[in-house]
Amino acid sequence: NAGVTQTPKFRVLKTGQSMTLLCAQDMNHEYMYWYRQDPGMGLRLIHYSVGEGTTAKGEVPDGYNVSRLKKQNFLLGLESAAPSQTSVYFCASSHGPDRVGNTIYFGEGSWLTVV
Amino acid sequence: AQKITQTQPGMFVQEKEAVTLDCTYDTSDPSYGLFWYKQPSSGEMIFLIYQGSYDQQNATEGRYSLNFQKARKSANLVISASQLGDSAMYFCAMREGPNDMRFGAGTRLTVKP
Repeated sequence: NAGVTQTPKFRVLKTGQSMTLLCAQDMNHEYMYWYRQDPGMGLRLIHYSVGEGTTAKGEVPDGYNVSRLKKQNFLLGLESAAPSQTSVYFCASSHGPDRVGNTIYFGEGSWLTVV
Repeated sequence: AQKITQTQPGMFVQEKEAVTLDCTYDTSDPSYGLFWYKQPSSGEMIFLIYQGSYDQQNATEGRYSLNFQKARKSANLVISASQLGDSAMYFCAMREGPNDMRFGAGTRLTVKP
């Protein structure tokens, strides 16, 4: 009953450090997403993937890279962390590709602080 | 341009009463989906209810119903018989295509005993 799992759940980084957030889903979903959530701004899409080996930019992609080497995993990388990247990061997945009604299921979130 | 607007940053409701959370949206696409999510203080995003743009009837899921007024481009969430556990952030979202789900800024609901 795992659904969407994110690791790590909490991390503190120094400015300029790099890190990778890992997302895994066990629902055989084609689509996967990375969002960030900042106070008063709801969730904003960083990058998404419509299938293994594919990635695309979302609304706020700068400073992040992603990879989808396996269908069940979607990695979010910060090459050189900045304080502006302090946020809560959510991974999500859904069936695709042709229905706007496909529900997006979210992981529990990863709290990242850049000092 | 803001596609999803939630005009109520915070709402209070008495336990056992009904409450309506407002959501308006902007799209020119005839096919879209509208969603509501609940985010309790623990942080997870919980899917509540979905309404498709072509659905003739308002969606309902238990104590949740979606008041869909297509001409006014509004998709308000109605929670009946509020419970203390309903206290949370509530987000309205719209999906115009499979790649793109946009969220509103959220409404914080507090249920008073």
